[in-house]
Amino acid sequence: EDQVTQSPEALRLQEGESSSLNCSYTVSGLRGLFWYRQDPGKGPEFLFTLYSAGEEKEKERLKATLTKKESFLHITAPKPEDSATYLCAVFGNQFYFGTGTSLTVIP
Amino acid sequence: DGGITQSPKYLFRKEGQNVTLSCEQNLNHDAMYWYRQDPGQGLRLIYYSQIVNDFQKGDIAEGYSVSREKKESFPLTVTSAQKNPTAFYLCASSTRDRGYYGYTFGSGTRLTVV
Repeated sequence: EDQVTQSPEALRLQEGESSSLNCSYTVSGLRGLFWYRQDPGKGPEFLFTLYSAGEEKEKERLKATLTKKESFLHITAPKPEDSATYLCAVFGNQFYFGTGTSLTVIP
Repeated sequence: DGGITQSPKYLFRKEGQNVTLSCEQNLNHDAMYWYRQDPGQGLRLIYYSQIVNDFQKGDIAEGYSVSREKKESFPLTVTSAQKNPTAFYLCASSTRDRGYYGYTFGSGTRLTVV
């Protein structure tokens, strides 16, 4: 059965303290893995798409990587404005969303 | 700028009442979707439509209804048969093959039963 698991559920970081969020997946025929950022009370906002193992994408303090079983969202020297919920989604036969990681960056 | 507009942002429903959530997109996307988001749960698919005048049930369609009379519009009605409607509702759209961005989301409607 296709599924997506994100960990940790919540993460608190001091400003400047780098860390990684994990998205583990099992899917038949991966057609894309997506990362979104969601602020409270708003819709998810697109960050990255990864298509194949070994692929990496970067945007400001964020870097997404992909293996055959999982993806990591690395956050380097985070700032308070990076606080949000980060959602992972995989597209195989259907689109499957993880439950998200709630990130809080403390000044 | 192209995007998806959901309205209203907040909606209150009385017991036994039907309410309709609006979703309009000007991205020229063929496909549109309705998701429900509850705390601690992933997004759950309610209904989707890949073409005008056609739509399919998702994983949790009971108590909901939709229409797709125009490419730009995909309203969701929460009927009195939905026993636990309090949630955050997200509308999304995409190209038919989901493309590079996967989904483009609206800003959501928070529905509360009073």
